[in-house]
Amino acid sequence: GAVVSQHPSRVICKSGTSVKIECRSLDFQATTMFWYRQFPKQSLMLMATSNEGSKATYEQGVEKDKFLINHASLTLSTLTVTSAHPEDSSFYICSARFGTGDSYEQYFGPGTRLTVT
Amino acid sequence: GQNIDQPTEMTATEGAIVQINCTYQTSGFNGLFWYQQHAGEAPTFLSYNVLDGLEEKGRFSSFLSRSKGYSYLLLKELQMKDSASYLCAVMDSNYQLIWGAGTKLIIKP
Repeated sequence: GAVVSQHPSRVICKSGTSVKIECRSLDFQATTMFWYRQFPKQSLMLMATSNEGSKATYEQGVEKDKFLINHASLTLSTLTVTSAHPEDSSFYICSARFGTGDSYEQYFGPGTRLTVT
Repeated sequence: GQNIDQPTEMTATEGAIVQINCTYQTSGFNGLFWYQQHAGEAPTFLSYNVLDGLEEKGRFSSFLSRSKGYSYLLLKELQMKDSASYLCAVMDSNYQLIWGAGTKLIIKP
């Protein structure tokens, strides 16, 4: 299957600082990238959808000024958590998708565990 | 509203067979996915169904009935490494995935 990487895998930061998470599709061009957040024992929550070269579409309740998404190329998307607070501590997962025929399978990155102290 | 239902937790014995059910109500349907997620890791793709019927892939099979809004994931010859959460997700009319909360599968020796 296709490979999606995320960096960093783990990050600990102090409250008030900003953290950038990178998501790369390594062997395919992703038409769309997604950013999810997962709290323990809960389903994945979609934060935003981004297409290369256009602004991200944020889900209701997600602050676009706090979670900045840049989809600069067909293989790279970044999520920046600005002015992080302890409640932002979570597992952030990106996924990338390319549409081929009837399948719109998403490939997931390994996730980034963010801890804000 | 959109809704995906699956059991919270299931327990099975090594070597046995287990069936994890998923029912859904979504605005539109463009396929149903099953993912496996081990604790602390991102989900990995298991199967995709868009037409009714059974798709078999090794020890794992997935079934879909669109008229009933129902799917199941069948795991055969269970191994200890199959202990994980299994997520059902439906792609809606906007081609976005609607996720179930996942079923935690516990395999006992």
